[in-house]
Amino acid sequence: ELKVEQNPLFLSMQEGKNYTIYCNYSTTSDRLYWYRQDPGKSLESLFVLLSNGAVKQEGRLMASLDTKARLSTLHITAAVHDLSATYFCAGIIQGAQKLVFGQGTRLTINP
Amino acid sequence: SAVISQKPSRDICQRGTSLTIQCQVDSQVTMMFWYRQQPGQSLTLIATANQGSEATYESGFVIDKFPISRPNLTFSTLTVSNMSPEDSSIYLCSVAARLWDTEAFFGQGTRLTVV
Repeated sequence: ELKVEQNPLFLSMQEGKNYTIYCNYSTTSDRLYWYRQDPGKSLESLFVLLSNGAVKQEGRLMASLDTKARLSTLHITAAVHDLSATYFCAGIIQGAQKLVFGQGTRLTINP
Repeated sequence: SAVISQKPSRDICQRGTSLTIQCQVDSQVTMMFWYRQQPGQSLTLIATANQGSEATYESGFVIDKFPISRPNLTFSTLTVSNMSPEDSSIYLCSVAARLWDTEAFFGQGTRLTVV
């Protein structure tokens, strides 16, 4: 059974700082997804990481995948208030055809 | 990306009643899913909605409580039956062409409060 764990679960940071959210998973999951959820809203797809060593960047967010370490990271560069949200990672077992979500990281960026 | 319309967006219901949530997609999709997100929590998969056949339920979820229909490749419904306050959650519809190498998209969610 695939288990996905994120840390930290809560993160409060200052604007302009850099930080990383970690996503560990328990068994083989060669695909990893990152989503963003604003309060009271649905999930917005950020990144789909399809292979070992994959790195994707969009604006101040960069996601990477290390399948050997069973680890994905979401790096935030020079944070701005608009990035305040809850971020979820999700893995998938091939053949299972269903996503397994981490607990979510609630990110608050203070001016 | 798929455009997903989920209705209603929110509802307040009396305990013991049932609510049916609709999910309409603007294009044919292979996979449709229903999730529950309890307040401040992550997403838990309720079931995979299968076109023309019974849904595939996850452990802890049963058809009598959460009957699901999927009459075609663009539409599905989830019913929350005989509701209790513990059913108060956000219910989300999700769709994907295929999960292994594409992304899944989510509807706006239905915020259900049971009183």
